[in-house]
Order: sequence, then structure tokens, then C-alpha cells
Amino acid sequence: DAGVTQSPTHLIKTRGQQVTLRCSPKSGHDTVSWYQQALGQGPQFIFQYYEEEERQRGNFPDRFSGHQFPNYSSELNVNALLLGDSALYLCASSRRAYEQYFGPGTRLTVT
Amino acid sequence: RKEVEQDPGPFNVPEGATVAFNCTYSNSASQSFFWYRQDCRKEPKLLMSVYSSGNEDGRFTAQLNRASQYISLLIRDSKLSDSATYLCVVPPLGNTPLVFGKGTRLSVIA
Repeated sequence: DAGVTQSPTHLIKTRGQQVTLRCSPKSGHDTVSWYQQALGQGPQFIFQYYEEEERQRGNFPDRFSGHQFPNYSSELNVNALLLGDSALYLCASSRRAYEQYFGPGTRLTVT
Repeated sequence: RKEVEQDPGPFNVPEGATVAFNCTYSNSASQSFFWYRQDCRKEPKLLMSVYSSGNEDGRFTAQLNRASQYISLLIRDSKLSDSATYLCVVPPLGNTPLVFGKGTRLSVIA
């Protein structure tokens, strides 16, 4: 049983560019949540997708957007990258329950 | 009070020691709680779920004190492999986003 997968593993972008991160949920899970984790901090909630709709959103600007596909996989898009967007981006999947399972994350560096 | 606050750490303990972490939360309506473990540069992994007064799994015990609004994680007979950051997680209401504490770093020393 494959767990949550994310791609790419690492990414380097320059300020002002746009980036797309991808996530495939654990088999049987229908809800995907995205988190940003800065060094030394706990993960911060970005948004959550269920039934292809954004259901909840954290305190992140509109530069952060997402999508969920019919197969429950999801994308996170960040436009107009800032240096402060450098972080580990984590995707977590669940079956509409609290027990979320995380993917290995994508480490984004903005230079 | 912040939504979730944890002991700052780091905790440096010898192998075999018993160590406890505390986590306080602000929303008295929260019904479930989680402890995640995160190794350096890795993703958080679910360690324990707490839905009632507590939960025990081998050397790990999680306890919930609703009156004082804190949960604790007790690790008995610490192993070197227990070295990690332990994140306290509280969903405020229903199926709402998880709120993570900043984590407590544990180093178990031989």
C-alpha cells in the first residue's frame, strides 16, 4: 500500500517565478491538506481539498492556490515567489478524519 | 494563550530515562489530540491519537487533562532511536485543519 507521495523532492527557484508542487494521497484517502514548514517551526496549514474543492484555508495570501483532481491527487501553486516562501511543503492525506498522514515533502528554495 | 504551546526543549536525556513533554491548548471544545514525531528533515509521522483521557502504546503514554487543557506524552526506557522532534497537534473543532505546536526536540544520549 503506497503512502502519500510528493514531487519533486527538491526545487530551486528565483524570486518572482511560479512553482507547482504535486501530491498523491494514500490509497483510500479522499482529503488532501497542504502545509508549509519553516525551519524550526511546526507545519502551518495552507488549505485543504475535498471533492475537488477548497474546503478550508489558512492565513496565506492568494499567491498560494491549489487544485484537486478526480483521482484525489492535488497540486499546490505559488505565484510571484518571495524569499520567505523557502520552506518544506508537506502534503497530508486523510479520509475525512483527523488522522492525517504526511508525504515526504518538497523542499523549496527561493533565491 | 496561543492555540497550542509546547515545552520549548531541547530535552537531553540518557538512554533508559523516562521523559515527559507537556502541551497546552486554548480551545476547550477540542475533542481529539495527536502526537506526531518528526525526524530531522523528514515528514511528521503519527505517533499517538488521544480521543478520551489517554492512550498507551508500549513505552509511550499520552494523557489528557481537559480541566487544565493540556496533554502530555511520556516516554519510558528511552532509546537512542527516540531522538526526534515531537509535535503536539490539536484540531480546534470538527474536521478542521490541524494546529501544530512548534515541537519539542528530544536527544537521547548513550
